[in-house]
Parts: sequence; structure tokens; C-alpha cells
Amino acid sequence: GENVEQHPSTLSVQEGDSAVIKCTYSDSASNYFPWYKQELGKGPQLIIDIRSNVGEKKDQRIAVTLNKTAKHFSLHITETQPEDSAVYFCAARSRDDKIIFGKGTRLHILP
Amino acid sequence: SAVISQKPSRDICQRGTSLTIQCQVDSQVTMMFWYRQQPGQSLTLIATANQGSEATYESGFVIDKFPISRPNLTFSTLTVSNMSPEDSSIYLCSATGVGNQPQHFGDGTRLSIL
Repeated sequence: GENVEQHPSTLSVQEGDSAVIKCTYSDSASNYFPWYKQELGKGPQLIIDIRSNVGEKKDQRIAVTLNKTAKHFSLHITETQPEDSAVYFCAARSRDDKIIFGKGTRLHILP
Repeated sequence: SAVISQKPSRDICQRGTSLTIQCQVDSQVTMMFWYRQQPGQSLTLIATANQGSEATYESGFVIDKFPISRPNLTFSTLTVSNMSPEDSSIYLCSATGVGNQPQHFGDGTRLSIL
């Protein structure tokens, strides 16, 4: 089945700098890759997603890139702000339509 | 996007008892799922809730321990049976909207077993 690896597990960046989180997946048939942000006491919130027919997608300060050949995708957050502090999960939709999650990255934005 | 409500939001239960968690979506959805998230960990899929038929369970999860119902398109329940401290976790409901919409989550039920 699908396996999603995510790095780093923890990331600290200075406010205003950029943050990058990287993920790899194992099943070449996976075709949809969402990213979720989870704040304390809340459920995961979808922040951006990308489908396999697109290489890059951007939404204001957030962008996601996908390399199908290498089977990896990344989340880029620019001009980070204190409210970006949270746990971020990458995920991949497997061939049987299940969403498989990475282990998460705890992002700290330093003042 | 669909709004997903879970009840209760948290509970503290005694060992050996059972608790039923309810999940209500405010619009029609195609698929509903139940996940478990242990403290500081990622999300693990428990099962897919199928409307009008038995849920489809993932490896390591069984119906006797986690019975699931989905009587209609927008409502599902998960029961955690014969609870032990190892069942202390966050249980999350999620759903996918009509038309290949993204999967969204409720805020979860935080369960502690004493």
C-alpha cells in the first residue's frame, strides 16, 4: 500500500523567513496530494492540495510543488508569521481512494 | 466546504465501558471516514463508513472493538467498546464531498480512559 514519508519532524524558522516541508510517496498510482494544518485542540484543516497533472500550485504565501518522477512533493510557506505555528501533515490519496498521512512536521515561528 | 460536527468533543471514561461518538455533516457527502490520532502522532485510518452497509476496516481494527454505523449520507457513529487506557486518543471523523471534493475533518473527540 501507499507509504508517505515526511521531513523534518520539527522545524523552527525566524518570523519572516521561509519554511519548506518535504514528503515522498511510494505508490506511483497516487494522484492527489493534500496538505493539512493542525492547531492545538483542532482537527486538521486543508490548506492546499495538488493533483498529479500539475507541477506547482500557489495560494498567497503557500505553494506546493510535485515531482511525479521522483515521487516527492513539498510545501513552501513564505514570509512566515506567528499564526503559521502548527503541525503540518502531507498526505497522498492511494489507488483505493484512501488518504494516507505523513507523520507530521511541527513548525515553530520564532519572534 | 462541508462543516463536520462531532459529539462529544471530549470525555473521560472508565475502563471496560463503551462510548459512542457522533459525526454530523452539514451537506451531502460521498465518503465518510474515522481516524485515530494518538497524542503527538499522525492520523491512522480506522475504517470507511459505508452508507447502509458494514464499514470497511483497516488492518489492525475490528468491528467488535470499533462498531460503526452510517444510516444516511450525512451522519455516522463510531463506538469504542470495552475501553482500556490504550484507547486514550483523539478520534476524528472526516468526509469527502460530492464531485471529488477534498476531504475535510471535524475537530475530533478527545477520549481519556482511566
